[in-house]
Amino acid sequence: EVQLVQSGAEVKKPGESLKISCKGSGYSFSSYWIAWVRQMPGKGLEWMGIIFASDSDTRYSPSFQGLVTISADKSISTAYLHWSSLKASDTAMYYCARLTTTSFDLWGRGTLVTVSS
Amino acid sequence: QSVLTQPPSVSGAPGQRVTISCTGSSSNIGAGYVVHWYQQLPGTAPKLLIYGNTNRPSGVPDRFSGSKSGTSASLAITGLQAEDEADYYCQSYDSSLSGYVFGTGTKVTVL
Repeated sequence: EVQLVQSGAEVKKPGESLKISCKGSGYSFSSYWIAWVRQMPGKGLEWMGIIFASDSDTRYSPSFQGLVTISADKSISTAYLHWSSLKASDTAMYYCARLTTTSFDLWGRGTLVTVSS
Repeated sequence: QSVLTQPPSVSGAPGQRVTISCTGSSSNIGAGYVVHWYQQLPGTAPKLLIYGNTNRPSGVPDRFSGSKSGTSASLAITGLQAEDEADYYCQSYDSSLSGYVFGTGTKVTVL
């Protein structure tokens, strides 16, 4: 089955670091870009950035540049989203999605990140 | 702040036709970049509904259709059904931002 499987929900304190993951299966993971999309509680979708797992070429939305780091390990077909110091405002659902041409045709179920003291 | 504007909500009775607009600018839709649409059912991940302005992925009912003109695009749902109650997002590419952009989202309510 072609799918993206995301890591489980996280509860963190402000200032802590976090890395969440997105593992692809059923297709050639290295042949596609993987995007990260944020959805804050009750809000819309925001594109954060994308990575091409084959060579780790990464592009960031200007809104997220410097705030998060996107990486990938093609040997295990996994992409990551990393924060070095979380803020309460990072509380959101984070989705990974596969980019096909210019649309996102395959989505993970999402990872809920809650940041609270 | 999204560069693609959608109405916050639309509603219709079962069987009716509703349309959702997606208004962009000369750096995204107006520049010729294609528009895609996603459906997000409550509590679930988004799902690709329309790609390349007008195309439906396998399994998407033909009640859903997309169009594009100038700096705008539209999603139409004909024969509205209760199961269509969801949030809908348009998406394109923006050359000024050098990245992908989503619309503000529209909640469809079936009366």
